Amino acid sequence: DTEVTQTPKHLVMGMTNKKSLKCEQHMGHRAMYWYKQKAKKPPELMFVYSYEKLSINESVPSRFSPECPNSSLLNLHLHALQPEDSALYLCASSPVLVRGEKNTEAFFGQGTRLTVV
Amino acid sequence: GQQLNQSPQSMFIQEGEDVSMNCTSSSIFNTWLWYKQDPGEGPVLLIALYKAGELTSNGRLTAQFGITRKDSFLNISASIPSDVGIYFCAGRTRGSTLGRLYFGRGTQLTVWP
Repeated sequence: DTEVTQTPKHLVMGMTNKKSLKCEQHMGHRAMYWYKQKAKKPPELMFVYSYEKLSINESVPSRFSPECPNSSLLNLHLHALQPEDSALYLCASSPVLVRGEKNTEAFFGQGTRLTVV
Repeated sequence: GQQLNQSPQSMFIQEGEDVSMNCTSSSIFNTWLWYKQDPGEGPVLLIALYKAGELTSNGRLTAQFGITRKDSFLNISASIPSDVGIYFCAGRTRGSTLGRLYFGRGTQLTVWP
């Protein structure tokens, strides 16, 4: 199984809603990532978890709250989002990277297309 | 953050033609990656490069890690319609936190039959 599965594929939410994006992998990867991607732009890193602990937060607003309940799951909790937060949210996973070694690079999920109205 | 300059921004070519795109940075990178992204999908890794001068092929795709460590190129030979998509270069610098990838702005490839 070399898949990263994201649910839902599409989500429309109001600015007062609370919703969650889910990501699951069964490759034994202990690093998991959230990226945000706007149309025709490259992915932008949001968060990195390593061994279920948050290791990178790219100054993401607190209305985005990540959670890594176990080594296979990664959630992104959304609350009080703005229309400009509408984007494709990508999850990725990889083995924990080791400096100086030839690493196995990240596998990306298909993404959740989020629309905030 | 790091700026990766990827060019060209878009290409319109005929089926069967060869394609070349490149990425440059102002900093030294120790990893260069090339991804392809289809509409509505996540990026898929095409080629990974880890050593200066390294030349790696994956079918009709060939990529090289520049000797200066500040650039990389991707060539696609004999393009076919399913090559359509956005190609991103990405990389890691020697000193950056592991897990942080810097992406280029992408090359949109269109292939006419």
